[in-house]
Amino acid sequence: EAQVTQNPRYLITVTGKKLTVTCSQNMNHEYMSWYRQDPGLGLRQIYYSMNVEVTDKGDVPEGYKVSRKEKRNFPLILESPSPNQTSLYFCASSSGRYEQFFGPGTRLTVL
Amino acid sequence: AQSVTQLDSHVSVSEGTPVLLRCNYSSSYSPSLFWYVQHPNKGLQLLLKYTSAATLVKGINGFEAEFKKSETSFHLTKPSAHMSDAAEYFCVVRGQGSGTYKYIFGTGTRLKVLA
Repeated sequence: EAQVTQNPRYLITVTGKKLTVTCSQNMNHEYMSWYRQDPGLGLRQIYYSMNVEVTDKGDVPEGYKVSRKEKRNFPLILESPSPNQTSLYFCASSSGRYEQFFGPGTRLTVL
Repeated sequence: AQSVTQLDSHVSVSEGTPVLLRCNYSSSYSPSLFWYVQHPNKGLQLLLKYTSAATLVKGINGFEAEFKKSETSFHLTKPSAHMSDAAEYFCVVRGQGSGTYKYIFGTGTRLKVLA
């Protein structure tokens, strides 16, 4: 089944404790992206990647890092999480031509 | 630069009545436009997409949208609302040129369906 998977689905952590949210897709898509969703703001793009080793900042990249060492994986790294990064995070992939396919989301709470 | 505006943050309709969710976009080029739906505590599902083919686009679950270049609009409609349509809906425009890989989301419209 074609899908985008994210782990963990739920995470509660404390300020400053490094964490990684994994994202994997099995559709051989070149394009992958991370978004955060906050009430009233829709989805805002954090980072995206056009292919292996090619990444670029989205609209809200501060406090986040990404890497794209393999085509199928695109982890999101929070080196020193802060409470304002409490949010619902979505990973997405696309062939680059049309629509994106989304993962199920990761709900992160930073205390 | 591309942008998208969803004109209503909340819409309430009675079951069996028509649905209209409004979306205006801004783009220098012929855009790619999408509508996604998000049910409570779920991920995002593609409803339909416009990619410069037919201006009237049919999607899943009886939804459709019409691309109107003169009005820079891409409104989502459904003839008869069902309780299961209650969800949040997002209009999305895809960037062009150097921003081709940017997808810009509207702030969402929450649809409530009354029995």
